Amino acid sequence: GAVVSQHPSWVICKSGTSVKIECRSLDFQATTMFWYRQFPKQSLMLMATSNEGSKATYEQGVEKDKFLINHASLTLSTLTVTSAHPEDSSFYICSASLDRVKWNEQFFGPGTRLTVL
Amino acid sequence: AQSVSQHNHHVILSEAASLELGCNYSYGGTVNLFWYVQYPGQHLQLLLKYFSGDPLVKGIKGFEAEFIKSKFSFNLRKPSVQWSDTAEYFCAVNVAGTYKYIFGTGTRLKVLA
Repeated sequence: GAVVSQHPSWVICKSGTSVKIECRSLDFQATTMFWYRQFPKQSLMLMATSNEGSKATYEQGVEKDKFLINHASLTLSTLTVTSAHPEDSSFYICSASLDRVKWNEQFFGPGTRLTVL
Repeated sequence: AQSVSQHNHHVILSEAASLELGCNYSYGGTVNLFWYVQYPGQHLQLLLKYFSGDPLVKGIKGFEAEFIKSKFSFNLRKPSVQWSDTAEYFCAVNVAGTYKYIFGTGTRLKVLA
């Protein structure tokens, strides 16, 4: 159980276009979903936290107008990279959270590799 | 600000060698601690976690980690590695009571058959 999927797994787009990435929790309803960005040989950096039906909370330095997050349901969150540029090329990973008794467990998706030409 | 340091970026071992990966964090309050593994081409998977109790925690696949509060450390160990342990390992800290996870930079482990 507790499977998180992402679609697409990889995408190549032209500079200036927008790209949408989907994150789904397949067999559970997630209280909260998270979006991370991972640069080569670097750690996962939290970009934003999203709760169903409310606005996402962005980390410092993340442009909310560039990285649009929509959390339409308890099983789906989307990240749209607007007007993408080559520097947005990265590996984007989502996670979905499940509240346990003592802690909050996050389940990670397989990631989406974005390449902007 | 909270941070997590993993000192070893690349580790190469022969099969049956012992493994210890370092993880230190900076935060003075209560934390939950995790080790995740990412096998080539796969998503992050939880290896083990600590949130209270016995500071020596055992995880899947023979891994264990020890929380030393005085040293702000949570080192990962395995007595005898296998070729199939080749992967990237991430230490993560969750500030208790929050959803936020902070990840270390990861350690790439290569085990030679």
